[in-house]
Amino acid sequence: QLQESGSRLVKPPQTLSLTCAVYGGSISGGTYSWSWIRQPPGKGLEWIGDIYDSGTTYYNPSLKSRVSISVDTSKNQFSVKVTSVTAADTALYYCARGATTLDSWGQGILVTVSS
Amino acid sequence: QSALTQPPSASGSPGQSVTISCTGTSSDVGGYDYVSWYQQEPGKAPKLIIFEVIKRPSGVPDRFSGSKFGNTASLTVSGLQAEDEADYYCSSYGGSENFVIFGGGTKLTVL
Repeated sequence: QLQESGSRLVKPPQTLSLTCAVYGGSISGGTYSWSWIRQPPGKGLEWIGDIYDSGTTYYNPSLKSRVSISVDTSKNQFSVKVTSVTAADTALYYCARGATTLDSWGQGILVTVSS
Repeated sequence: QSALTQPPSASGSPGQSVTISCTGTSSDVGGYDYVSWYQQEPGKAPKLIIFEVIKRPSGVPDRFSGSKFGNTASLTVSGLQAEDEADYYCSSYGGSENFVIFGGGTKLTVL
């Protein structure tokens, strides 16, 4: 199971920060990567990026300049930061296991960007 | 990075079959066998129903099947049931530059 947490209201142009806690299994081992995906209200899914327990990351090219994903294996969790947010970053943010195959998802957390 | 192309809507009557297409390019759908399909019911997180083009996770009914021809992948739902009404999204590996790309989603209505 995965559980997102973090700030639900962010002022532009501040930084959005979210954490995903992984329960029922270890984030380590290198078998899986761990992804962040977002969904603006009423719109489709957008993959943000992923990370392996080694710290290796891959990012969506359209967000790469503003996104960083990190992992804390001691806490069995991974995090995402999005800098210089605008209203366009308002979305339901999901964490999930995998990347090309996302086989387990968190329930999502709605983040609103507004002054 | 362009999204994969899906029809915005699809529909069918109970018991019928419906197919949803997902069109990309030779750099994504056509180039790799890493196409997945997700079902998203209203207010819920997406659920994996097909991975690696044709594979079904355990617990997913065999009424759901996937295929691919060239740059287009397809999801077929046979024996439509009311509970199949949901949004469906495809995704594909897009190579080392784009990595993971989603389709725009298809709203499936069971008439």
